[in-house]
Amino acid sequence: NAGVTQTPKFRILKIGQSMTLQCTQDMNHNYMYWYRQDPGMGLKLIYYSVGAGITDKGEVPNGYNVSRSTTEDFPLRLELAAPSQTSVYFCASRDRTTYEQYFGPGTRLTVT
Amino acid sequence: KQEVTQIPAALSVPEGENLVLNCSFTDSAIYNLQWFRQDPGKGLTSLLLIQSSQREQTSGRLNASLDKSSGRSTLYIAASQPGDSATYLCAVEYGNKLVFGAGTILRVKS
Repeated sequence: NAGVTQTPKFRILKIGQSMTLQCTQDMNHNYMYWYRQDPGMGLKLIYYSVGAGITDKGEVPNGYNVSRSTTEDFPLRLELAAPSQTSVYFCASRDRTTYEQYFGPGTRLTVT
Repeated sequence: KQEVTQIPAALSVPEGENLVLNCSFTDSAIYNLQWFRQDPGKGLTSLLLIQSSQREQTSGRLNASLDKSSGRSTLYIAASQPGDSATYLCAVEYGNKLVFGAGTILRVKS
């Protein structure tokens, strides 16, 4: 099992550019999440999804969009990148039996 | 507002010591509480999950306790080893969402 995979691992964007962070899980989990982690801080929830076709905002959704067309994939779209979006982005999925969350390795994004 | 606080922010101990990491949360209406480990440049690994109806969970040298009424959890690490060096994050689940603390950076010196 690959678990939760994220691509790319690193990316540098110029201000105003757009990009999509990819996330895929192979555990058939219904729940998926996107978090960002700033230096010295805990993770903050950007968006989450409880199943294909259903998404909802988290604590810090501004500047981001998501879609969930399949159970496996949960891409995060950044439109008009800003320096404040420089962060490490983590995708996670949740086992509905044990409630444990499984995390991907993260994407380190720098906006200059 | 639902907030999670972890104390201390950083901890350095000699190998072999037993240690306690603390987590407090402001809203006691939790579904569960999870402790995670994060190594530098890596994702998070779940260590222990305590359901709201439970008081503690154990895995090997790790023991986590939960006191909902006081809004506190502790992670006890017995006989610490250099390989335990990492950041430990506490997260509380409310509904479908996890609220994270900022973490405790642990260094175990050999």
